[in-house]
Amino acid sequence: EIVLTQSPGTLSLSPGERATLSCRASQSVSSSYLAWYQQKPGQAPRLLIYGAYSRATGIPDRFSGSGSGTEFILTISRLEPEDFAVYYCQQYGSSSFTFGPGTKVDIK
Amino acid sequence: QLRLQESGPGLVKPSEALSLTCTVSGGSISSATYYWGWIRQPPGKGLEWIGTIYYSGSTYYNPSLKSRVTISVDTSKNQFSRLRLSSVTAADTAVYYCARLDQQLAPFSFDYWGQGTLVTVSS
Repeated sequence: EIVLTQSPGTLSLSPGERATLSCRASQSVSSSYLAWYQQKPGQAPRLLIYGAYSRATGIPDRFSGSGSGTEFILTISRLEPEDFAVYYCQQYGSSSFTFGPGTKVDIK
Repeated sequence: QLRLQESGPGLVKPSEALSLTCTVSGGSISSATYYWGWIRQPPGKGLEWIGTIYYSGSTYYNPSLKSRVTISVDTSKNQFSRLRLSSVTAADTAVYYCARLDQQLAPFSFDYWGQGTLVTVSS
C-alpha cells in the first residue's frame, strides 16, 4: 500500500500570502492518479485538483498542482479568507485509494 | 445538479452491522464512466477510503476493511449504493460519505460528495 505523508501539519499564514503544501508518497505515483481536496469544518471534501495538475470544475486559478513521482505540491498563490481549511492529497494505485493525513491552513 | 444523500441509522451497537444507503438525484448512476465510492472520517481525523463500485456491480475494497465490507448497487431506484460493514466496533464511529468518481471528467478522483452521515458505534 502506498502511504502519503503531508507537510507541514499546520501552516499559519495571512490572507494574501502564498501557501505551499507538500504531499510525499512512499513509492512512485503516476501523476494521473494524484488529487487534492479542500475540507472546511462540517463540510464534505471538495475536489480541487486531479491528475496532479488539472483544476476541477469551478476551482479558481489561484490553486495549482505540480510535482511527479513521490513529491507533489499544492500551491495557493494568494490566500483568500475562504481558503483557510484542511487540505488532503489522495492517490490511486492497485485498485485502491489512500489519503494523506491532511495539512491545516489557518490564519496567522 | 447532481446530489448524493446518505441515509441510515445514526447509532449502531458493537458487534452489529452498519448499513447505509446513498441516493443519487439529478443524474443517472448508470453512466459507463461513473464509479461510486464510500469514504469515512472519524471525528477529528482524516479520510479513509472504504470501497468503490461500478454500476455493473464490480467492487473494489480497502484491503484493511475487505473482510467486513459489502457494497452493492441498485440501479432500478437510482440508489447507487448500499454499504454494509459488519462486526462494528467503536473504531468504526465516523462520518460516512458517498461520492462519485467520473473517469471521463476527473479520473481517479471523487468530484461529487454527499453531505455525510455520522454513525456512532455504542451500546
